[in-house]
Amino acid sequence: GNSVTQMEGPVTLSEEAFLTINCTYTATGYPSLFWYVQYPGEGLQLLLKATKADDKGSNKGFEATYRKETTSFHLEKGSVQVSDSAVYFCALSERAQKLVFGQGTRLTINP
Amino acid sequence: DAMVIQNPRYQVTQFGKPVTLSCSQTLNHNVMYWYQQKSSQAPKLLFHYYDKDFNNEADTPDNFQSRRPNTSFCFLDIRSPGLGDAAMYLCATSSGVHGYTFGSGTRLTVV
Repeated sequence: GNSVTQMEGPVTLSEEAFLTINCTYTATGYPSLFWYVQYPGEGLQLLLKATKADDKGSNKGFEATYRKETTSFHLEKGSVQVSDSAVYFCALSERAQKLVFGQGTRLTINP
Repeated sequence: DAMVIQNPRYQVTQFGKPVTLSCSQTLNHNVMYWYQQKSSQAPKLLFHYYDKDFNNEADTPDNFQSRRPNTSFCFLDIRSPGLGDAAMYLCATSSGVHGYTFGSGTRLTVV
């Protein structure tokens, strides 16, 4: 079945550092890929998405590129801020069916 | 703004006392989902409705039930909450290609 694997956390960085959170997936077809962010005590917010190979999703300085050859969708940001501290979930959906989530990566940014 | 609204944000219930969580949407999406999330783990799908068609995940306990009286509303009923049911419950909607929209969640405490 479909699955998503994220790099294990927690991840702690200093403000203005470069961020990468790795995400790889296994799917039988051609899924859509998503990154969601969850702030403490809140629900999930869509951060970005990509629906086909080589698409790049971007939002709020975050980017991720759908790499079919490596089955990856790594999240990157060039300069993180304290306000980026949250839990990040990579997810996939195939043919608009249910979302399958990775285990989540907790990110802490220190000033 | 079109959105997914969950009420209440925080719910405290007694061990074994039935409790109902509610979700409403103004997006007119045909699919609604209920997820259970414990301690910033990955959300776990309990069930979903495609219009009025109910789809239960194989490992969802019988203690959890759901109702969808119309397109806008969906309810999660926990017939006899146990301590292990304390979690964040997330409602989400989708219309296929437009992706998924999550509510802010209801945090359930069982005392």
